[in-house]
Amino acid sequence: DVKVTQSSRYLVKRTGEKVFLECVQDMDHENMFWYRQDPGLGLRLIYFSYDVKMKEKGDIPEGYSVSREKKERFSLILESASTNQTSMYLCASRPLGTGVMGGAPLHFGNGTRLTVT
Amino acid sequence: EDQVTQSPEALRLQEGESSSLNCSYTVSGLRGLFWYRQDPGKGPEFLFTLYSAGEEKEKERLKATLTKKESFLHITAPKPEDSATYLCAVQSNAGGTSYGKLTFGQGTILTVHP
Repeated sequence: DVKVTQSSRYLVKRTGEKVFLECVQDMDHENMFWYRQDPGLGLRLIYFSYDVKMKEKGDIPEGYSVSREKKERFSLILESASTNQTSMYLCASRPLGTGVMGGAPLHFGNGTRLTVT
Repeated sequence: EDQVTQSPEALRLQEGESSSLNCSYTVSGLRGLFWYRQDPGKGPEFLFTLYSAGEEKEKERLKATLTKKESFLHITAPKPEDSATYLCAVQSNAGGTSYGKLTFGQGTILTVHP
């Protein structure tokens, strides 16, 4: 089974702090993703990476950056945390999609619930 | 822009009372439709992928079906342990990239009472 591990289940940070959320996957997947999940808004894509050192903005990248120095690790960085970044953060990975059969599913970690006070 | 709408928002069933969840979508060429289960405080757990209209997949008490406009998740004789949020997501083939984004619906919260 694919295992996606997020380093923290719960984090409490102060406004203005720099915050690092870490994610590691053990299945040699090329693609990795960061989502945030909020009540009433569902899952929204922040950033994704389709290979080492490659990154693409998702739908809500403002206030975030990412780093992918190794294939198995994808980090989300909040440069200066704000209260509106209080949320559940979910990391996911997937292998490259197969052409004819379509996309491969995402495999999610258990999330990091971040509170910014 | 891809869109996914799930209904109902919440569904309460008695144990053994079969029902269906709906996922309506608009997408510029479907690459895949995905169903996930999410328990409170956990990440979504993958259930099924459907690729083309007419396709069906089954797992225990769950059966997913797909048409050109919507997908259904049928739950037969549910048990309390089936209580969870069920999420639907689509991936389009727009742009032809294999790392295409998934667009998620807001989910259906299913509660099964004993």
